[in-house]
Amino acid sequence: QVQLVESGGGVVQPGRSLRLSCAGSGFIFSNYVMHWVRQAPGRGLEWVGIISYDGENKYYTDSVKGRFTISRDNSKNTLYLQMNTLRPEDSAVFYCARSVCSAGYCYSFDHLGQGTLVTVSS
Amino acid sequence: DIQMTQSPSSLSASVRDRVTITCRASQGIRNDLAWYQQKPGKAPKRLIYDASTLQSGVPSRFSGSGSGTEFTLTISSLQPEDFATYYCLQHSSYPWTFGQGTKVEIK
Repeated sequence: QVQLVESGGGVVQPGRSLRLSCAGSGFIFSNYVMHWVRQAPGRGLEWVGIISYDGENKYYTDSVKGRFTISRDNSKNTLYLQMNTLRPEDSAVFYCARSVCSAGYCYSFDHLGQGTLVTVSS
Repeated sequence: DIQMTQSPSSLSASVRDRVTITCRASQGIRNDLAWYQQKPGKAPKRLIYDASTLQSGVPSRFSGSGSGTEFTLTISSLQPEDFATYYCLQHSSYPWTFGQGTKVEIK
């Protein structure tokens, strides 16, 4: 069955960096575009960004542009989120998710992982 | 950015009640809308995609409708396992945006 397993969360000081990983299994990883979605404690869901099948194209929400970078390694079936210059407001559970695109149109994600918690605090 | 306004933010209902949740988009998004259910401590689960298509394995008491700027999620007969928070998501243009969520509680 489809599994997405995030890892790498933890407590980090403001201004520091952290890299999250998401391991996919039970499906052909390279056949899916991948996303990161986050949820601050007690708050709603926020889409963070997307990476294309081959990793060449990426889009981000404005609040993370220039600080977060999404990448992937299809040989390892793994998605990454490099987070730099972290702020307290970045504290959240981070979920990875998969979807498909066709002819420039991307469908909503059908599976999300269980999430990994990032806490930015001094 | 497209804003998704979801209402109500919370509601109290009884088992077997009919429940309707609405999402309004700040501009037309065709039918590029999905609905997700989230229970405490769990990942969101997709219920509806393309505004009205039921995700495989989701009970038929869930239905979605709408196109353009106004969308609804309806639960025809609320069951105990349906008490959760529901979110809409537009994926018509970047950045993708969620509604604020609707928490469905037991009356």
